[in-house]
Amino acid sequence: GIQVEQSPPDLILQEGANSTLRCNFSDSVNNLQWFHQNPWGQLINLFYIPSGTKQNGRLSATTVATERYSLLYISSSQTTDSGVYFCAGTSSNTGKLIFGQGTTLQVKP
Amino acid sequence: DTGVSQNPRHKITKRGQNVTFRCDPISEHNRLYWYRQTLGQGPEFLTYFQNEAQLEKSRLLSDRFSAERPKGSFSTLEIQRTEQGDSAMYLCASSRDRGSNKQYFGPGTRLTVT
Repeated sequence: GIQVEQSPPDLILQEGANSTLRCNFSDSVNNLQWFHQNPWGQLINLFYIPSGTKQNGRLSATTVATERYSLLYISSSQTTDSGVYFCAGTSSNTGKLIFGQGTTLQVKP
Repeated sequence: DTGVSQNPRHKITKRGQNVTFRCDPISEHNRLYWYRQTLGQGPEFLTYFQNEAQLEKSRLLSDRFSAERPKGSFSTLEIQRTEQGDSAMYLCASSRDRGSNKQYFGPGTRLTVT
């Protein structure tokens, strides 16, 4: 079936630490995207990354499509990085997204 | 601000009442999606529009739910005879219909049914 699985489910970091979030997805999932949901519920698209590596400031993402996984790296974490990180992929031509369960990140000052 | 707006941001209603939510997508985006998110879960797909045509509906969308996008611009989602189980965050997203399917989400409408 269609599966998007994220790990770890929860993560607590001290400000300044680095972290790696993982997303495993099944064969039928494509067009991998990473989102950050802030405490007010707003979802921000961090990366559209079906394959390869992209970087945006302190964040970077890598997708290895042949092995069906993606990684999100957060370096020098800040308290504003707190929230829930979701990966999601499409499963049909309509582009509807299938989301993982999310990783809840708390960065302590 | 992603450029996608939703109104209202919060709605409290009594069980059995009807509610309607509005989504204004990014102006040049042809695709529009509705998702529902409950506490502790990722968003779940509800329905999808390509311009004004509703092309896919999830089995989650019972016959009490109806969505429209009459002129291919804004969209409305109506829930009739609300139930407590309808309490959730309703999210709208839009994207282009060519190239990547990078989706941009609105701030959501949080519905509470009492």
